[in-house]
Amino acid sequence: AQSVTQLGSHVSVSEGALVLLRCNYSSSVPPYLFWYVQYPNQGLQLLLKYTTGATLVKGINGFEAEFKKSETSFHLTKPSAHMSDAAEYFCAVSESVGTGGFKTIFGAGTRLFVKA
Amino acid sequence: GAGVSQSPSNKVTEKGKDVELRCDPISGHTALYWYRQRLGQGLEFLIYFQGNSAPDKSGLPSDRFSAERTGESVSTLTIQRTQQEDSAVYLCASSLDGRTGREQYFGPGTRLTVT
Repeated sequence: AQSVTQLGSHVSVSEGALVLLRCNYSSSVPPYLFWYVQYPNQGLQLLLKYTTGATLVKGINGFEAEFKKSETSFHLTKPSAHMSDAAEYFCAVSESVGTGGFKTIFGAGTRLFVKA
Repeated sequence: GAGVSQSPSNKVTEKGKDVELRCDPISGHTALYWYRQRLGQGLEFLIYFQGNSAPDKSGLPSDRFSAERTGESVSTLTIQRTQQEDSAVYLCASSLDGRTGREQYFGPGTRLTVT
């Protein structure tokens, strides 16, 4: 079975600093990879996804992630943090359930704090 | 168009009572998912529907939990004889087609509190 590991349950950065949220996955087949964001008291929304093709994926709000097969990683970055980026971020991988389709396995999440 | 909706948004119930949680997916989405999110934790997969069949029920924590879906629309998650450990936010998501592993669209969740 596939799994997702997010390193660091909490990350704190200063406003304007680089944001780096780490995600490693285990998979025996090419994965579909996702980052979702959950703002306080809101539902999850998709930030970006990797399916096939270009390994550097750009998402909303200036975030991007790079799929590195050799490292089984899909780290999320943003060059300059903004106060509004404070949220919980979830890395996820899609796993086949045989002929029935896919289910998504989520990491435990990383809470991002942005200091003024 | 409208997103995924869930009702109720909050539910407080006494231990031992049954509860029903409802999810309305995005129109045209054939796949529907239920997750549980305990306070301060990640998402725990419960069940996945493709149409009205459930290829994967592996995440249901016990036989007190059940779910059904009518056609390719509304789904209900039922928890019988609720326990305090059932307290969590229950999230529903839908996707265009579960067979392609594409992104999911989430509802706002139902916060269940068992007293």
